[in-house]
Amino acid sequence: DGGITQSPKYLFRKEGQNVTLSCEQNLNHDAMYWYRQDPGQGLRLIYYSQIVNDFQKGDIAEGYSVSREKKESFPLTVTSAQKNPTAFYLCASSIGPGSVYGYTFGSGTRLTVV
Amino acid sequence: RKEVEQDPGPFNVPEGATVAFNCTYSNSASQSFFWYRQDCRKEPKLLMSVYSSGNEDGRFTAQLNRASQYISLLIRDSKLSDSATYLCVVTLILTGGGNKLTFGTGTQLKVEL
Repeated sequence: DGGITQSPKYLFRKEGQNVTLSCEQNLNHDAMYWYRQDPGQGLRLIYYSQIVNDFQKGDIAEGYSVSREKKESFPLTVTSAQKNPTAFYLCASSIGPGSVYGYTFGSGTRLTVV
Repeated sequence: RKEVEQDPGPFNVPEGATVAFNCTYSNSASQSFFWYRQDCRKEPKLLMSVYSSGNEDGRFTAQLNRASQYISLLIRDSKLSDSATYLCVVTLILTGGGNKLTFGTGTQLKVEL
């Protein structure tokens, strides 16, 4: 079955560490996105990528980095520069620009800084 | 002003009730509109797209009013399983291609016996 896989589901990190969240899709979607969700807030866009080897900053990119070396994969690194990293991170993909089909989401990664 | 605004609720309704959610968006250039459903501690899932002509999917009806920049979702004969948070989502086409979904904070629905 096609879909998006995020791992790990739960991640605990010490302050000052970098961690990388995995996102893999087998939907053959061109576009991929990373969102962050905090309690009482809507999803906020961190980074997005329309094609391989290209990505753009979203609304809250500071303290995060991404890569898009393969169409299927869009990992997100949460660096030690991110001041408040504890959140629910969601990866999504879409068929392409102007998609009327919305996004398909992975099941998310809950990151907690301890 | 937020790009997408929703009443956070919660809406506590008895089973079988009809419930209506509203959403307003600020950017008149928005092109596509959706309602997503999110269960507690889960990822959002697409419920339905919203078209200017209005569209229906079983017990769910969505309406779009571009002039007023207003989107609605109507749930008839609500079930216990409808309990969730409903997210209003608006799409903008980005410079250089691609699109960006902007999410409202969601309206929480609790259907009770």
